[in-house]
Amino acid sequence: KAGVTQTPRYLIKTRGQQVTLSCSPISGHRSVSWYQQTPGQGLQFLFEYFSETQRNKGNFPGRFSGRQFSNSRSEMNVSTLELGDSALYLCASNLGQGANYGYTFGSGTRLTVV
Amino acid sequence: QKEVEQNSGPLSVPEGAIASLNCTYSDRGSQSFFWYRQYSGKSPELIMFIYSNGDKEDGRFTAQLNKASQYVSLLIRDSQPSDSATYLCAAGGGSYIPTFGRGTSLIVHP
Repeated sequence: KAGVTQTPRYLIKTRGQQVTLSCSPISGHRSVSWYQQTPGQGLQFLFEYFSETQRNKGNFPGRFSGRQFSNSRSEMNVSTLELGDSALYLCASNLGQGANYGYTFGSGTRLTVV
Repeated sequence: QKEVEQNSGPLSVPEGAIASLNCTYSDRGSQSFFWYRQYSGKSPELIMFIYSNGDKEDGRFTAQLNKASQYVSLLIRDSQPSDSATYLCAAGGGSYIPTFGRGTSLIVHP
């Protein structure tokens, strides 16, 4: 059974650029959540998608957006990148909504903004 | 503001000892509690979840929950150097998103 696949693994971008990250959940999982992880703030929730609908959103600026497709794959976009956006972005997959049984995380995308 | 507090550590224990990791949470509505292990440079991996007061055992791991005290713990028996990692506690449940603590760094030395 394939795990959660995130692409790309590493990205280096310049301030002001935009970036799109991709996540394919475990087959059969309809919920995808995105987290930002930094040494200073830990794991911060970005958003959750369930059956193509954004069900929950964290406290991040509007530069952070996402979407989910009919095959449950999800993308996350960050526009007008800032140095502070440098982080590990993690996608998490689970069967239902709200992660009652815990998440399965992807390997993450390490974003560096220079 | 829902919060999950963990001591950042590092917690250093000798090989073969019991490692005890602790976590407190602020939201009394939390129903589900999770422990994740994260090796350096890797993503978190779920190792235990617990819903009911008391203990839940899985191999060398025991999760303990005390809802009255809003306290969750993870015991690792017969600790091995391969257990050296950061352990993240999370509280959530129902339809809302789990809140993660910042993690406790565990070092198991030979």
